[in-house]
Amino acid sequence: AQSVTQPDIHITVSEGASLELRCNYSYGATPYLFWYVQSPGQGLQLLLKYFSGDTLVQGIKGFEAEFKRSQSSFNLRKPSVHWSDAAEYFCAVEGDDKIIFGKGTRLHILP
Amino acid sequence: NAGVTQTPKFQVLKTGQSMTLQCAQDMNHEYMSWYRQDPGMGLRLIHYSVGAGITDQGEVPNGYNVSRSTTEDFPLRLLSAAPSQTSVYFCASSSWTSGRTGELFFGEGSRLTVL
Repeated sequence: AQSVTQPDIHITVSEGASLELRCNYSYGATPYLFWYVQSPGQGLQLLLKYFSGDTLVQGIKGFEAEFKRSQSSFNLRKPSVHWSDAAEYFCAVEGDDKIIFGKGTRLHILP
Repeated sequence: NAGVTQTPKFQVLKTGQSMTLQCAQDMNHEYMSWYRQDPGMGLRLIHYSVGAGITDQGEVPNGYNVSRSTTEDFPLRLLSAAPSQTSVYFCASSSWTSGRTGELFFGEGSRLTVL
């Protein structure tokens, strides 16, 4: 069975600083990987996805993620965060007809 | 522009009561699923379905039943509600191509409190 680990429960960065959220997955075959964002009181929105091909994928709102098979990782990055990026971020892996989510990382932005 | 519609949005139950959370999608998606979201636990998969007449268990299926009689609808039944089932429930759907699930489209969520 697949699993996802997001090691950081909370991360705080200053507005304008760069951001990296970590995600490690476990799955025996080629995974489909996703990052979703949930703003306070809101539903979940897809930021980006990796199915195959180029290991660096671009998403909405200036986010990108890099798939590294050797490290079983799919870290999310943004070069300069905005106050509106404060939210909870979820990494997910698809396999065997199931999409399994990590426990999430809550991002706090300092002005 | 309905997408995935969940009802009700809020519900309060007493321990032992039963209820059904409704989920409908109008995108002709084969794949539908139910998650529960609890603080610090992320989203945990309850049940999922890859098409009408086919359902399977996810990570936390105990205490819940599902059925999939049509492509559009995927109701979640709580048989005998317990306080541990207090949570926010999300229904999601996706295309299902070549045996793989794509992007999930989520409903707005249903907040359930069991007293």
